[in-house]
Amino acid sequence: AQKITQTQPGMFVQEKEAVTLDCTYDTSDPSYGLFWYKQPSSGEMIFLIYQGSYDQQNATEGRYSLNFQKARKSANLVISASQLGDSAMYFCAMRDEGYSTLTFGKGTMLLVSP
Amino acid sequence: GAGVSQSPSNKVTEKGKDVELRCDPISGHTALYWYRQRLGQGLEFLIYFQGNSAPDKSGLPSDRFSAERTGESVSTLTIQRTQQEDSAVYLCASSLEGTSGTSYNEQFFGPGTRLTVL
Repeated sequence: AQKITQTQPGMFVQEKEAVTLDCTYDTSDPSYGLFWYKQPSSGEMIFLIYQGSYDQQNATEGRYSLNFQKARKSANLVISASQLGDSAMYFCAMRDEGYSTLTFGKGTMLLVSP
Repeated sequence: GAGVSQSPSNKVTEKGKDVELRCDPISGHTALYWYRQRLGQGLEFLIYFQGNSAPDKSGLPSDRFSAERTGESVSTLTIQRTQQEDSAVYLCASSLEGTSGTSYNEQFFGPGTRLTVL
């Protein structure tokens, strides 16, 4: 069974600073994918970044990077140079081998202040 | 091209009534997913369609929930005899194909339907 844990219900960061959003996962499968989505107050889910379990390097997409520590089963999202528009809910999700659907964590609300 | 669209955007209904929620996936996307998001929670998988294969209904919470998909196009999620605990945002997503494990295959989400059961 897959499980995603996001232990931070809310995070605050000042504009232009970096912030790390935590995500740990549990799976018995060696093959899986990890995703991060952003959900602004408008409600749409916006894909941010993906990491495969066999990827040798941490994924990066612009200001987003994924700190993937396989032995610890963690996949933290790092946002560099935070912007006011980064204020949103952030969800970590995973997909196991043999499943096509995503299992989501409960999310972390990020608030960026000027 | 157009993204995933859902209708209605908001639906208020009385307990015990049936509701139908509609999803139009991105053209050419063979995989379609329904999720439910309760207030302040993450997304819960409901049902998954892949091409002409039998749908994966393992996430449907009760037999009051059902969904259909016509070929590789529109899908409708039906909730019969709605209960107050059905109040949530229902999100639809589509992807080029359903894959598993490490295969990257981005799911594109619609704006959701906010269902309120009084």
